[in-house]
Amino acid sequence: DTAVSQTPKYLVTQMGNDKSIKCEQNLGHDTMYWYKQDSKKFLKIMFSYNNKELIINETVPNRFSPKSPDKAHLNLHINSLELGDSAVYFCASSQVRGRRAHTQYFGPGTRLTVL
Amino acid sequence: GQSLEQPSEVTAVEGAIVQINCTYQTSGFYGLSWYQQHDGGAPTFLSYNGLDGLEETGRFSSFLSRSDSYGYLLLQELQMKDSASYFCAVRWGIIFGKGTRLHILP
Repeated sequence: DTAVSQTPKYLVTQMGNDKSIKCEQNLGHDTMYWYKQDSKKFLKIMFSYNNKELIINETVPNRFSPKSPDKAHLNLHINSLELGDSAVYFCASSQVRGRRAHTQYFGPGTRLTVL
Repeated sequence: GQSLEQPSEVTAVEGAIVQINCTYQTSGFYGLSWYQQHDGGAPTFLSYNGLDGLEETGRFSSFLSRSDSYGYLLLQELQMKDSASYFCAVRWGIIFGKGTRLHILP
């Protein structure tokens, strides 16, 4: 059973297009995240949702819009894609309370290439 | 704000011990986490220190000194499969350092 899954794994698209990445976790966690990892492997937090409520919204262009329909899902929609959006996007989840509150479980990543 | 400093690359020999250091500056400290990431893979959790001292998990150990804003990850009995990038992270493990690429020589 996959703990955190993302679709698609690869996404190649043209500049100006709109695309979505989906994420699902079956760990029963209450918090989910989106990260962007650039070509230099720098991993940067973008958004975080706790129980469907947005709790972290880092400095990210408003072309990026997260949406959490329920605790197990966190999707990322990107409008008007730009070349600089090319990166690997990771979804992650964690449980806010408890002994392992600090432990994040990452999805396999979505490699986005904007041409 | 927060910042984390770790060496960009470290090279060690198979079977040896290597230490990867991390110094941090953060407003509000909630522990130091360590993640491993193989090329093409996702980060995976290795260790967490909420209090000063050493945490041991098999061949991996992690140390924290809050007074020095410093921690390290210690990898023992290095294996080729340990070749990966290692990240320290603060603020419930959501602010990551730039990663240390570990190269292991046979």
